[in-house]
Amino acid sequence: AQSVAQPEDQVNVAEGNPLTVKCTYSVSGNPYLFWYVQYPNRGLQFLLKYITGDNLVKGSYGFEAEFNKSQTSFHLKKPSALVSDSALYFCAVRDNDYKLSFGAGTTVTVRA
Amino acid sequence: DAGVTQSPTHLIKTRGQQVTLRCSPKSGHDTVSWYQQALGQGPQFIFQYYEEEERQRGNFPDRFSGHQFPNYSSELNVNALLLGDSALYLCASSLTTGGLKNIQYFGAGTRLSVL
Repeated sequence: AQSVAQPEDQVNVAEGNPLTVKCTYSVSGNPYLFWYVQYPNRGLQFLLKYITGDNLVKGSYGFEAEFNKSQTSFHLKKPSALVSDSALYFCAVRDNDYKLSFGAGTTVTVRA
Repeated sequence: DAGVTQSPTHLIKTRGQQVTLRCSPKSGHDTVSWYQQALGQGPQFIFQYYEEEERQRGNFPDRFSGHQFPNYSSELNVNALLLGDSALYLCASSLTTGGLKNIQYFGAGTRLSVL
């Protein structure tokens, strides 16, 4: 069975500071890893994915994520956070089947 | 290029009733997945449709059923509604082949309230 854990319910950072949202995963096969963002009353927006290749993946809006196989982690990062980055972030994993398994989500608040 | 569209946006039903939610996938996408997102939780996989067949199903009872049409659009049906079915229902579309095949794109969802 595949699963994702997002250990922090909330992350608070000041604008201009680095932002990190943590994610660890468990799969039986090769992991396909994703980050999505959800704004109030909106669906999920795709940010980035890791399938194979370089462990550092670059995505939309200046976000990137680092895949670490030994630690089974896929942390989302942004070097300089913006107030507009305040939202709910979900990490998701799939292995050799088709469904995405999501974490519980991390609420990011960026203060001006 | 329209993204994934879902209708209706909001719906209020009473216990025991039946509901149908609709989804039009992103242009060119042939696969549709449905998820249930309860308040304060991550989305939970209900099922996925490809070539008008249910390809995979999550841990949801038979009260949840679906359909995919030849134009790739899809419906989610829920019978005998329970209070616990109140949630945001998300539709996601994707490609089965090609370089973007692993990415699921989501609609804005249908908010179902069961009273």
